[in-house]
Amino acid sequence: EVQLVESGGGLVKPGGSLRLSCAASRFTFSSYSMNWVRQAPGKGLEWVSSISSSGSYIYYADSVKGRFTISRDNAKNSLYLQMNSLRAEDTAVYYCARDGLTGTKNWFDPWGQGTLVTVSS
Amino acid sequence: EIVLTQSPGTLSLSPGERATLSCRASQSVSSSYLGWYQQKPGQAPRLLIYGASSRATGIPDRFSGSGSGTDFTLTISRLEPEDFAVYYCQQYGSSPYTFGQGTKLEIK
Repeated sequence: EVQLVESGGGLVKPGGSLRLSCAASRFTFSSYSMNWVRQAPGKGLEWVSSISSSGSYIYYADSVKGRFTISRDNAKNSLYLQMNSLRAEDTAVYYCARDGLTGTKNWFDPWGQGTLVTVSS
Repeated sequence: EIVLTQSPGTLSLSPGERATLSCRASQSVSSSYLGWYQQKPGQAPRLLIYGASSRATGIPDRFSGSGSGTDFTLTISRLEPEDFAVYYCQQYGSSPYTFGQGTKLEIK
């Protein structure tokens, strides 16, 4: 069964930085686009960023553009999200999700269990 | 940006009843790049439907999706106790890959 395990969440002060990781296993990581989605406490889902299988194509939500950087290491089967200039409104559970199929324009399946990021002084 | 509006915000029904959830897009969703997800408290979202009407692997056939263009529907034919959860639609045809705000399906 495909497995996605996020790590790196925690408490950080406003203006600080954090790097999230997503370890992937039991599928050919280098063949799939990957995604980050977040969910603020008690709120709905918000797409954050996506990266193509090779890393050549990258997309961001306007709310994080210029502050967050998505990347991947296909040799290590890992996805990353570097988060800088963090704000209180970035507080959320961050989910890593794989594209459902190889190629472009796919649904998100499966999802990791999420990692909580709290931005507070 | 394609804005997805889900209705109703909350739906109160009893087990055995039929549930109809709506997702309306602010502009046409190309090639039905529309998915539905279920989320239970403390859990990650789970894919139910992709391509507007295709059931994901392992999803019971009481779940069905329909629609095209700007209007999409998730139907649960006969509610089971485990179906009470929050449901989200998502369009993945064009970035930003937006989600609807969710419909909470609660036990009446």
